[in-house]
Amino acid sequence: EVQLAQSGTEVKKPGESLKISCKGSGYTFTRYWIAWVRQMAGKDLEYMGIIYPDDSDTRYSPSFQGQVTISVDKSTTTAYLQWSSLKASDSAMYFCARQPGDVHSFDIWGQGTLVTVSS
Amino acid sequence: QSELIQPPSASGTPGQRVTISCSGSESNIGSNTVTWYQQLPGTAPKRLIYITDQGPSGVPDRFSASKSGTSASLAISGLQSEDEAEYYCAAWDDRLKGYVFGSGTEVTVL
Repeated sequence: EVQLAQSGTEVKKPGESLKISCKGSGYTFTRYWIAWVRQMAGKDLEYMGIIYPDDSDTRYSPSFQGQVTISVDKSTTTAYLQWSSLKASDSAMYFCARQPGDVHSFDIWGQGTLVTVSS
Repeated sequence: QSELIQPPSASGTPGQRVTISCSGSESNIGSNTVTWYQQLPGTAPKRLIYITDQGPSGVPDRFSASKSGTSASLAISGLQSEDEAEYYCAAWDDRLKGYVFGSGTEVTVL
C-alpha cells in the first residue's frame, strides 16, 4: 500500500526548534516529489514547498522561504519539515503530500502532524 | 485572501446534484492542471479528480469536473450523506510560483 506516515503531535514553546517527518512506503520514494501543506485552525490550505528526494531539489513558496527548512533522507525514505525558532503563529496542522511527476497535483497525503506552540 | 475563489457553502438533499465553482485567473486555472480535493472532518485532504489538457482524471463515479478559461467546477451527482465534507480546488500559479488552494466549500447534505 502506498502511504505517507507522519510523525505525531508536537507541543512546543516559542523559540524552540522542531523537525517533523513524513515517511513514504509502498512506492519508489525517490521518483515522486514530496510537498508540505499547512492548515491553520479554520480551514485554508497553504502550500509551503516541495522537495524531490532523488536529488534534494527543493523549492519554497515565497511565503515560507526562510521560515522553514524542507529536507529528505533517501536512505530512510523520509522527508522532513523543520523550524529553528517556533512562533505561536506556527501552530497548525501540517500535511505532507506526494506529487507524481511534473503535474502539480497531490495524489497521496499523510495523515497530518498537529503542532501547537504555546508558552 | 485565496487566489482561487469558491463559495463558502453548498447543500442539497440526498440524491440531488450539487455544483461547486472555482474562480481563478490566467496564471493559475487558465494555464495549469486543476485538482479537486475532498477533506472529511478531522482527516487529511484526498484527491478526487484533476483536469489536465487531456481532460479529467481520477475518481469518476458520482464526481465530475470541468474547466473553462479561468474557472473550474466540481459536480457531485446522487448526493450522499458521506459526501459531507470540505471541497478545495487547487492549481499551480505561474505568477506566484506556488501551488494555490481555493478558499474551500463546505458541502452539507440536508
